[in-house]
Amino acid sequence: GAVVSQHPSRVICKSGTSVKIECRSLDFQATTMFWYRQFPKQSLMLMATSNEGSKATYEQGVEKDKFLINHASLTLSTLTVTSAHPEDSSFYICSARDLPTGGSEQFFGPGTRLTVL
Amino acid sequence: KNQVEQSPQSLIILEGKNCTLQCNYTVSPFSNLRWYKQDTGRGPVSLTIMTFSENTKSNGRYTATLDADTKQSSLHITASQLSDSASYICVVSPSGTYKYIFGTGTRLKVLA
Repeated sequence: GAVVSQHPSRVICKSGTSVKIECRSLDFQATTMFWYRQFPKQSLMLMATSNEGSKATYEQGVEKDKFLINHASLTLSTLTVTSAHPEDSSFYICSARDLPTGGSEQFFGPGTRLTVL
Repeated sequence: KNQVEQSPQSLIILEGKNCTLQCNYTVSPFSNLRWYKQDTGRGPVSLTIMTFSENTKSNGRYTATLDADTKQSSLHITASQLSDSASYICVVSPSGTYKYIFGTGTRLKVLA
């Protein structure tokens, strides 16, 4: 149980385009989803926290207009990188939490490798 | 400031050998300390979870220990296998918050 999927697993795009990454909880309802970014040889950095049906809370230094997060259902959250630039190339990982039954445990997706040319 | 430091940064061992990874944290009070394994290009996978009152937890060849007095945790891997090659991340959750404080990670490479 507690499986989280991400799509796509990797994406290459041109500079200036927008890219949408999906995060799904497959066998539980995710009241909260988290989006992380991980640069090579570094640990995960929290970008934002989203609760179903409400606006995401962004960490300091993360541009909310550039990284659009939507959590419209209990099983799906999307991260859209708008007007992507090469410096946005990174590994994006989502995690999901089911507070009522799962407590504070976060279940991580497999990640999405974004390369901006 | 809440911090989680891990050592060594990287480690190379021969298949079949044991190794121990260290995690020092300043997070206080905390509710849980977790160890994750992250294969290259994949998301983290949970290995062990310990509350502040536990001092050891095992999962197969992985054994985590916790000393809340010295604010240290270790992950011991027994009889290493090639598939153990990965990054190992220590994660601490402060009490009263759902957030994870991630450690810097240890990159382990197991050679045949």
